[in-house]
Amino acid sequence: ELKVEQNPLFLSMQEGKNYTIYCNYSTTSDRLYWYRQDPGKSLESLFVLLSNGAVKQEGRLMASLDTKARLSTLHITAAVHDLSATYFCAVVGETSGSRLTFGEGTQLTVNP
Amino acid sequence: NAGVTQTPKFRVLKTGQSMTLLCAQDMNHEYMYWYRQDPGMGLRLIHYSVGEGTTAKGEVPDGYNVSRLKKQNFLLGLESAAPSQTSVYFCASTGTGELFFGEGSRLTVL
Repeated sequence: ELKVEQNPLFLSMQEGKNYTIYCNYSTTSDRLYWYRQDPGKSLESLFVLLSNGAVKQEGRLMASLDTKARLSTLHITAAVHDLSATYFCAVVGETSGSRLTFGEGTQLTVNP
Repeated sequence: NAGVTQTPKFRVLKTGQSMTLLCAQDMNHEYMYWYRQDPGMGLRLIHYSVGEGTTAKGEVPDGYNVSRLKKQNFLLGLESAAPSQTSVYFCASTGTGELFFGEGSRLTVL
């Protein structure tokens, strides 16, 4: 059974600081997703990572994938208040068919 | 382009009542999913479908049934609602890449 673990689960940081969210998963994977969710809202797709060594960047967020270590990271550069949200990683295991398994989410708060 | 549309968006039920949530997508996607989201638990897969006429169980299927009679629609049914089914339900669909989510349906069972 595929398990996906994120850490930290809660993150409070100051504006201007850098930080990394980690996503570990337990079996080999076809692809990995990062999503953002604002309170009371749906999930917004941030990144889709398809291969080992994949790196994608959008604004202050950069995601990477290491399939050998079964690890993805979401790096935040010079955080701003607008980045406050909950971030989820989700994984499609090689034997999962088309099913995504989600991590518990990281609740990020960026303080002025 | 509406994307993924869920109805209703809010519903309050009494224990034992039944209801159906409708998910409609206009992107001609083969794969559709129903997830539930509870505080601190991320999203958990209830049922999914890999094409018209097919359904399969996910991680937490008990107490729910689904149907995919038309490619664009995926219905989630609760035959006899229980307070443990109070949650936010999300529908999602995909072709071969990005997963698109509906806005969510908030269900409260009293």
